[in-house]
Amino acid sequence: AQSVTQLDSHVSVSEGTPVLLRCNYSSSYSPSLFWYVQHPNKGLQLLLKYTSAATLVKGINGFEAEFKKSETSFHLTKPSAHMSDAAEYFCVVRLRFYNQGGKLIFGQGTELSVKP
Amino acid sequence: GAGVSQSPSNKVTEKGKDVELRCDPISGHTALYWYRQSLGQGLEFLIYFQGNSAPDKSGLPSDRFSAERTGGSVSTLTIQRTQQEDSAVYLCASKLGQGADTQYFGPGTRLTVL
Repeated sequence: AQSVTQLDSHVSVSEGTPVLLRCNYSSSYSPSLFWYVQHPNKGLQLLLKYTSAATLVKGINGFEAEFKKSETSFHLTKPSAHMSDAAEYFCVVRLRFYNQGGKLIFGQGTELSVKP
Repeated sequence: GAGVSQSPSNKVTEKGKDVELRCDPISGHTALYWYRQSLGQGLEFLIYFQGNSAPDKSGLPSDRFSAERTGGSVSTLTIQRTQQEDSAVYLCASKLGQGADTQYFGPGTRLTVL
């Protein structure tokens, strides 16, 4: 079965410092992995996706993630946090079987706080 | 262009009443998904439509939940005899086709069952 585990429920950083949100996946074959962000009272927005091309994936707003098969990880990073990055972040795996239609399995979410 | 829209944005109902939640996907998107986001369960899949058919209903939590899609576009999620545990944000997403990677999410409907 495919699943994702977000290792931290809450991360707090200071503005201008690096961000690291950790995600491990479980999959019996090469997965498609995503990071989505949800700002308070807003819908989910795609940050970036990995679909078996380059292992280092760049997304919007300066975020990037690296797919590491040997570590079964897909951690999200950003060199310098901004106040507007405060939100909840979800690591997501996409199921591939025909009748599953590519449904998404979400991690439990990591809430990112950014201090001035 | 227009994104995924959902209505109503908020719905408060009494226990035992039926509710209907609506989703308008992005024009031309053939795949449509319903998810539920609740405090205890996180984000969980409910049902998937390809066109008007639903090949995967595995996430519907009980037979009180049903969904339909007509004309390959608008979808309605119906909850009968609502219970307090149905309180959650119901999210709809669509994507271009079965092979497409990215699902685009609507803003959600917040359902509160009193």
